[in-house]
Amino acid sequence: ILNVEQSPQSLHVQEGDSTNFTCSFPSSNFYALHWYRWETAKSPEALFVMTLNGDEKKKGRISATLNTKEGYSYLYIKGSQPEDSATYLCAPNTGNQFYFGTGTSLTVIP
Amino acid sequence: DVKVTQSSRYLVKRTGEKVFLECVQDMDHENMFWYRQDPGLGLRLIYFSYDVKMKEKGDIPEGYSVSREKKERFSLILESASTNQTSMYLCASSPRRLAAYYEQYFGPGTRLTVT
Repeated sequence: ILNVEQSPQSLHVQEGDSTNFTCSFPSSNFYALHWYRWETAKSPEALFVMTLNGDEKKKGRISATLNTKEGYSYLYIKGSQPEDSATYLCAPNTGNQFYFGTGTSLTVIP
Repeated sequence: DVKVTQSSRYLVKRTGEKVFLECVQDMDHENMFWYRQDPGLGLRLIYFSYDVKMKEKGDIPEGYSVSREKKERFSLILESASTNQTSMYLCASSPRRLAAYYEQYFGPGTRLTVT
């Protein structure tokens, strides 16, 4: 079992603020790291799959970085909007096993 | 668009009943997964299947079994439901064998209550 930590647990920001969250995981036996967004009453939706140390991925206002040597990934949201309100999950993978963090719950206040 | 469907959104069963949760995906994906989600815990993998009739245990397989007779369908079976199996169950699928490198597509979830 992999110990995956996400911080902060929850976050409230004003519309237009930029924010970031952290996902920490053991760096051994690393294959890939997934980020998912899970909105209330919907299914989790994939944001990024990252595999290489130093990877940076971007989708609109959301971006992520990966450091496999030290075992962390950051997710950034620029200019948060109310529709960004969701729980953001990270899931490092060691082969065919996924270990999900408990997520960061983001609330964007209009 | 990939679509993953689950047979029920809400289900209430009695202790000791045999429960079947069905999941169907329409994109010819190799891999299918069953997770459970409990408050304060991350999604936990129950079972994983990378091909028809093939399965691997996840972190918490006790009390569960699975069946994959057709590529598009993955069933989770609670042999004798217990109250500690009350949870949200999510099914997911992903393409290709190396599941690590491909995003998963999730179904809407089944909230199971065992009384």
